[in-house]
Formats: sequence, C-alpha cells, structure tokens
Amino acid sequence: GIQVEQSPPDLILQEGANSTLRCNFSDSVNNLQWFHQNPWGQLINLFYIPSGTKQNGRLSATTVATERYSLLYISSSQTTDSGVYFCAVGPISGGYNKLIFGAGTRLAVHP
Amino acid sequence: DAGVTQSPTHLIKTRGQQVTLRCSPKSGHDTVSWYQQALGQGPQFIFQYYEEEERQRGNFPDRFSGHQFPNYSSELNVNALLLGDSALYLCASSTRGNYGYTFGSGTRLTVV
Repeated sequence: GIQVEQSPPDLILQEGANSTLRCNFSDSVNNLQWFHQNPWGQLINLFYIPSGTKQNGRLSATTVATERYSLLYISSSQTTDSGVYFCAVGPISGGYNKLIFGAGTRLAVHP
Repeated sequence: DAGVTQSPTHLIKTRGQQVTLRCSPKSGHDTVSWYQQALGQGPQFIFQYYEEEERQRGNFPDRFSGHQFPNYSSELNVNALLLGDSALYLCASSTRGNYGYTFGSGTRLTVV
C-alpha cells in the first residue's frame, strides 16, 4: 500500500521562528490533507491540497504531485501552534475518501 | 451547527471484554469513518460506512465491527479486547464525493 513519510519527526522552535514540514508519499493520490492535532486529541483540518499552493494566515502549503511531496510552512510561530501535524493522503485506487496518515511531526513552540 | 460528537470520552475495560463506541456525524454528512490512533502514531483507518453498509475496511481483524444507523450515526464494536487495543479511537464524518473531513475529539480506550 501507499507509504507516507513525514519529516522531521520532532521540532522545537522559539516563538516567532519559521519552519517547514515535509510529507513524502509513495504513489499517486487524489487527496492530500494537512491536519493539526491539539493536546486534547482533536484533529483540525488545515488544508485540502492535492496539488498547488494555498495560504491561510501564517500557514501555507504546497504540493508537487508529480514529485510526490507536500510542504507545510509555518511562519512567525506561536505557542498555540504546538501539537502534532499530520499529512494524510487518499490513494487513487482507494476510493470513498479513505485517508492514510503519516506518523506526524511533533512541534513544540517555546515563548 | 454541532460537529462530530463521540461518546464516551474515556473508557477503561478489562482484557476479553467487549466495548461499543458511538459517533454522531456533523449535520449534513452521510459518511462515517473510524480510525485507531495508538500513542505516538498517526491514525490508522479501520473502516468506513455509507448508506448503512461497510464500504471499505483497513487491516483490522474481525473483532472490530461496526454499524451505521438510518440517521447516519455509527457504532464501533470491539470484541475480546486485547491490551494492544488501547488507543484513541477517532470518528470522522464527510459527504459522499467531498474530501472534506471533520473529526470528533475521540474516545480514549484503555484495556487493563
């Protein structure tokens, strides 16, 4: 099945710093989403981005589908950005919106 | 507009017991998916229900079963619990043909 690899696994930042999270996937996908999981376990959808570039405030994401990777950019990080960031993909053969998650990047932002 | 509601929030069970977890989807959503998230790992797909039928299943044993009701709510049942079943169980709802997912806050199951 399709493999999803995220890097780095852990990231520690000072407030105000910028960061880039990477997601590599092993096969063509028709769905790619970035999620943020807060300390209480809630998964919040950040971007639906199977290709192209999107921006939402301090966050932006780029997916290069032909090269099978996606990047999540966090600028001017805040302590509330702490948590785990997951990349999840939907394989073309999967259908029905099934998502395969990576292992996540654990981000800690210190004041 | 309520999001996805899961109950209970926490649960402690003994090995060998059976458990039922419940999920009410977001208003307007007709598809429910269940995921298991072990500590320190990403969520893993268990199965998905649409029109009261299991449409897709991940790599989970038959001890894991589910149901979807006419009002689109869903249950996840796990029989013969093992210690390794301890995890956060997440429910996600969506609309057929739409990639937007809404996740609930999960049920944290501890098997002792």
